[in-house]
Amino acid sequence: AQSVSQHNHHVILSEAASLELGCNYSYGGTVNLFWYVQYPGQHLQLLLKYFSGDPLVKGIKGFEAEFIKSKFSFNLRKPSVQWSDTAEYFCAVNAHIQAGTALIFGKGTTLSVSS
Amino acid sequence: AAGVIQSPRHLIKEKRETATLKCYPIPRHDTVYWYQQGPGQDPQFLISFYEKMQSDKGSIPDRFSAQQFSDYHSELNMSSLELGDSALYFCASSPGQGAEAFFGQGTRLTVV
Repeated sequence: AQSVSQHNHHVILSEAASLELGCNYSYGGTVNLFWYVQYPGQHLQLLLKYFSGDPLVKGIKGFEAEFIKSKFSFNLRKPSVQWSDTAEYFCAVNAHIQAGTALIFGKGTTLSVSS
Repeated sequence: AAGVIQSPRHLIKEKRETATLKCYPIPRHDTVYWYQQGPGQDPQFLISFYEKMQSDKGSIPDRFSAQQFSDYHSELNMSSLELGDSALYFCASSPGQGAEAFFGQGTRLTVV
């Protein structure tokens, strides 16, 4: 079964600082990879996704992520964070097993940005 | 654009009662997922359906059951509720295998 590991539980940054959140997954086959964001009291929203092709993917709000297959990693980055980026960030993986296979989430990283 | 609709948004039940949560996926999405998210926790996968058939099963207690109906809406039935069942329950739908999941606003269940 696939699993997802997020290295940082809580990250605290000042506005304009750069961000990198680590994500590693374990699964030997083909996967699709996602980053979701959850603002306080809200539902999960998709930030970006990787299915195939260019391993550097760009998402909404200036976020990007790089898929490194050899490292089973899909780290999220943003060059300059804003106070409004304060939220919970979840990495997720969906293995190509069958239709309806579960989307598995990591434990999440809480990002706190101070103005 | 249409989104995933969940009802009710909030639900308060007593221990040992039953609860039914409903989910209406985005039109033409063939996959529905149910997740449970405790306070400060990551979403835990419960169960999924593809084309109205159960597809994958996660950490869903035996006291819970779910189904997807002919109109593609899904219901999560929870019986003999326990205090530990208090959580946010999300439904998500997806347009195809491996595609991104679109999440509903969730149902906040409080068991007292």
